[in-house]
This record gives sequence, structure tokens and C-alpha cells, in this order.
Amino acid sequence: AQKITQTQPGMFVQEKEAVTLDCTYDTSDPSYGLFWYKQPSSGEMIFLIYQGSYDQQNATEGRYSLNFQKARKSANLVISASQLGDSAMYFCAMKGPAGNQFYFGTGTSLTVIP
Amino acid sequence: DVKVTQSSRYLVKRTGEKVFLECVQDMDHENMFWYRQDPGLGLRLIYFSYDVKMKEKGDIPEGYSVSREKKERFSLILESASTNQTSMYLCASSLHPPPNSWRPQHFGDGTRLSIL
Repeated sequence: AQKITQTQPGMFVQEKEAVTLDCTYDTSDPSYGLFWYKQPSSGEMIFLIYQGSYDQQNATEGRYSLNFQKARKSANLVISASQLGDSAMYFCAMKGPAGNQFYFGTGTSLTVIP
Repeated sequence: DVKVTQSSRYLVKRTGEKVFLECVQDMDHENMFWYRQDPGLGLRLIYFSYDVKMKEKGDIPEGYSVSREKKERFSLILESASTNQTSMYLCASSLHPPPNSWRPQHFGDGTRLSIL
């Protein structure tokens, strides 16, 4: 069963604008963690931001924020003031309680237009 | 900063060969992971290790084995390589988190493996 769903294969955003990348997840565990990673064309996976299921406030890290809506099981990534260097693949991931429960979505390709 | 190093960036092997992919991390992380990444499928977990000599199967362990003789090193082994194992392989490591808390995985640069 698909645990993480990213419905946007590709997105375009104008430089300096904000963009939201969608992520929904599926779990019956009350305890889980949600992560976003960036993968530039060079291939390395870069950790961006994390949200725990018990966290009351939405996570923020610089220009990145995570819009966590627990009842809707969504964990959208918001990038403010997009930069050309933000062009990359973005992956949403979920960590369950067991050690090997780490699920990735299929990714969203973001292109920032000058 | 955490450094996860994969031994090769690009590798070309022949069908039937035994292939070793090596991964080393320098931050004393307990957990190490091997994934393969294919277009349209995201990352899929092959194997996971939570301690030296300890391992657990992920979602797609068939055709693979792993070895963790030292805490910093986690090896992925393709026992008899086949063309459907052509893929990008990513190694990751993370700390054991406290209860009800989480730690991100830190990834290596990946190995693009082609099986001819």
C-alpha cells in the first residue's frame, strides 16, 4: 500500500515567488515523523525539514516550512521566495515506529523560472 | 557535518557478477540503510541495519544481501547481478532517536550501477 503520495510530478514557479509541494501520507500509528528531502541533479539527498506527529506547531527552517494538517494526513512543503538553486526533485518521507519503516514518495520536480 | 561516503559514483558490471557496494559514515550512527532509486518509484528500502551484525529486510531485499562488520561500514552485495538491478543506489545513516522523537537520515552521493 502506498504510504506517501506526491501527486505533482512537476511544478514550475517564478523566481522570488512562494510554492507549495503537496504530500499526503497513510498510517494508523499515532507516532510517526515526516521529512522533506531535496535532490539536485547532482544526485545527493539533502535533508530539509522534519515534523513529528506529536508536534503542536508547524516546523520551519529558514525559507522552508511544513504545513502539517494531521486530520487530513497532509504534510505540504512551502518554499518562500524561490531561488534558482531551488530547482530540484523534492521527496516527502515518513518514518514509522519500527526501524525499517521509512517510506518515500515518488517525488516532485520543481523548476524555478528566472 | 555528517559524512556518508559511497565508494563509487558510477559502476558498470556484467550479468552474473558478484557486486559489492560500500558505504562508510563518520558520525558513529547506529542505523544504516540501503535504498535503490528508480524513476517514478521514489526510493525503496532494500536493507536496514540498527547495529553491528544486525540487519532487517526492507521492501525489496530479493537478490541482495548486506554486511555490517563494523559500525561505520555497511556493504550491499548483489549475489549474482541481473539487468533489472541497474539503478541508483543510495546509502544513508541516522542516529537512534529518543522515544517519540525522530532523526533524519543523512545520505551519500549515490552509486549509479549499470548491469550489462
